Amino acid sequence: GAVVSQHPSWVICKSGTSVKIECRSLDFQATTMFWYRQFPKQSLMLMATSNEGSKATYEQGVEKDKFLINHASLTLSTLTVTSAHPEDSSFYICSASPFSYEQYFGPGTRLTVT
Amino acid sequence: AQTVTQSQPEMSVQEAETVTLSCTYDTSESNYYLFWYKQPPSRQMILVIRQEAYKQQNATENRFSVNFQKAAKSFSLKISDSQLGDTAMYFCAFMNRLSRDDKIIFGKGTRLHILP
Repeated sequence: GAVVSQHPSWVICKSGTSVKIECRSLDFQATTMFWYRQFPKQSLMLMATSNEGSKATYEQGVEKDKFLINHASLTLSTLTVTSAHPEDSSFYICSASPFSYEQYFGPGTRLTVT
Repeated sequence: AQTVTQSQPEMSVQEAETVTLSCTYDTSESNYYLFWYKQPPSRQMILVIRQEAYKQQNATENRFSVNFQKAAKSFSLKISDSQLGDTAMYFCAFMNRLSRDDKIIFGKGTRLHILP
């Protein structure tokens, strides 16, 4: 149990376009979902926290107009990178929490912007 | 603000040996969780072990155990009888139990190589 999926696992897009990444909790309802960014050989950096039906809370320094997060249901959150640029290339990881302290991580999405 | 420090960027040990990964943290809170996560080359984050701060007994999961020293704010991970599959990045992490946002704060990680 407690499986989180992400789609796509790898996406290549051209500079200036937008790309959407989906995060789904497959066998539980997630009251809270988290989006992280990870650069090569570095730790996870929290980008934002989203609760179902509410606006996402962004960490300091994260552009909310660039990284749009929608937590439309208790099993789905999406991250849209708008007007992507090469510097947005990274590994994006989501996690889903059914209740306090327990977070289950998705397998990640590799974004390459050319 | 809470911080998590892992002072060993990289370590290598021979298969079957025991290895200890260090972690210290700083917080003014008394009620929190500590975690060790493993990130293998697949990059899937895997929870290795969780410790609740109010429990004095050190958590253990098979070959993995922790040495939790609350007063010293130290939380080390011991891997016994290390296996090749233990090769991964290991992250120490902290969560304030009473926080409304349930955010996990990660250390910078320790890259562990298990040598055949």
